[in-house]
Amino acid sequence: AQSVTQLGSHVSVSEGALVLLRCNYSSSVPPYLFWYVQYPNQGLQLLLKYTTGATLVKGINGFEAEFKKSETSFHLTKPSAHMSDAAEYFCAVSRNTGTASKLTFGTGTRLQVTL
Amino acid sequence: KAGVTQTPRYLIKTRGQQVTLSCSPISGHRSVSWYQQTPGQGLQFLFEYFSETQRNKGNFPGRFSGRQFSNSRSEMNVSTLELGDSALYLCASSLEGLAGAEQFFGPGTRLTVL
Repeated sequence: AQSVTQLGSHVSVSEGALVLLRCNYSSSVPPYLFWYVQYPNQGLQLLLKYTTGATLVKGINGFEAEFKKSETSFHLTKPSAHMSDAAEYFCAVSRNTGTASKLTFGTGTRLQVTL
Repeated sequence: KAGVTQTPRYLIKTRGQQVTLSCSPISGHRSVSWYQQTPGQGLQFLFEYFSETQRNKGNFPGRFSGRQFSNSRSEMNVSTLELGDSALYLCASSLEGLAGAEQFFGPGTRLTVL
C-alpha cells in the first residue's frame, strides 16, 4: 500500500520568502510523485511530477521539488513567495506501472502568503 | 482546447435520495477518474473508467457507481444518500490513464446532503 504524509496543515510565509512544503511517502516500490495546487472553488492543477530521471523537478509558477529516495521525501519549494501562491497544495503518489493511474493524496497544506 | 467540465456545479439533496453527477473529459482523453474530497477524509479515489470499462476501484460502498459512455463522458451515481456523502466530487481525465500521466481535473460538483 502507498501513503503520503504532508507535514504542516497550514504554512504561513511573507511575500518574497522561501516556500517549503514537506511531503514524505511510503511505498514498497519506487512510486511516481506529484504536487497539485487547488485554488478556492476550483479543481486541482498539476504543478510538477517525478517519474524517472533527474531527481530535481521543475514545475510551473517557479516551483520545484527534489525526489530523495533515501529520505522518502518529495518536498516542494519556491525561492520567493508571491501573493498569488496562496492556495492548498497536495502531494500525491501513484504506482509506477501500466494503468496504475490511481492517485493517493496527502491531507494537504494550506499556504498563506502575507505582506 | 476545453478543459474538463462537470455538471452540475452545486447540488442539494436529502438523505435517502439518489444523485447523478456528470463529467465531460478533455477531447481525446479516454480515461476518467473520480475522487471524493471532504474535510475529514481528504481526497479519496472512487474509480476509474477507460473505454467504457471500470478499470480501477477505490474502497467505497456499492452505493457509489459509475459508467462511461462511448464518447468518454462519464457519470457517477450515489444511491441512498447519507449525510456523510456531502463532499466535493472531482473528475479527472487523461489520455490513456497510464501511470505517471498528467490528470486534468474539473472544477468539481459540490454535493450537500441534508
